[in-house]
Amino acid sequence: DMVLTQSPGTLSLSPGERATLSCRASQRLGSTSLAWYQQRPGQAPRLLIYDASRRATGIPDRFSGSASGTDFNLTISRLEPEDFAVYYCQQYCCSPLGTFGQGTTLEIK
Amino acid sequence: QVHLVESGGGLVRPGGSLRLSCTASGFSFSDYYMAWVRQIPGRGLEWVLYISMSATTTYYADSVKGRFTVSRDNAKKSLFLEMKNLRSDDTAVYYCAKGDEWGNFYFDHWGQGTRVTVS
Repeated sequence: DMVLTQSPGTLSLSPGERATLSCRASQRLGSTSLAWYQQRPGQAPRLLIYDASRRATGIPDRFSGSASGTDFNLTISRLEPEDFAVYYCQQYCCSPLGTFGQGTTLEIK
Repeated sequence: QVHLVESGGGLVRPGGSLRLSCTASGFSFSDYYMAWVRQIPGRGLEWVLYISMSATTTYYADSVKGRFTVSRDNAKKSLFLEMKNLRSDDTAVYYCAKGDEWGNFYFDHWGQGTRVTVS
């Protein structure tokens, strides 16, 4: 079964810094079928990126996604206060479909 | 503007049943796959059920097969989740989520969720 492993578990940074979050798949996805979501406390998840690098509607361009083999990254170029949240990756290519990573907490340093 | 509103959550005994509803607005509901995704308190996300536009295709996570049923009423722009034989590990916030037109398992809009507690 496909497993997604996110790292680090917690990332402590300051506003204005650059954040890079990682998501590693246990097998090649065979495509770029990976999405990233942001979840702020008490809120529902929000789609940021789909197809590994396509920004969802209304998402600021400081968010970007990239892929290399089984490794996927979400980069936030310059952190804003509202970016401190939990981030999840999700794959949608392989069985079991739709599995999520365990999440990375981005916290203010 | 896409809007999804869940309802029907609450406290239920183990072995009991519950029916969740999701009312959609702001998009052509019948043109999109829809899903239920749950989040166990303090933990991550688990996709649970996924249904095609005309309900001809449904996908179930192994953890809910045989106990949960998804359905939709396109005329009423509504999605439903029938849960039976509930267990304590079904305790979670249940989100209604909108898929795309092609059945890709990512979700571009989510409701605010409804809490289900099995105890």
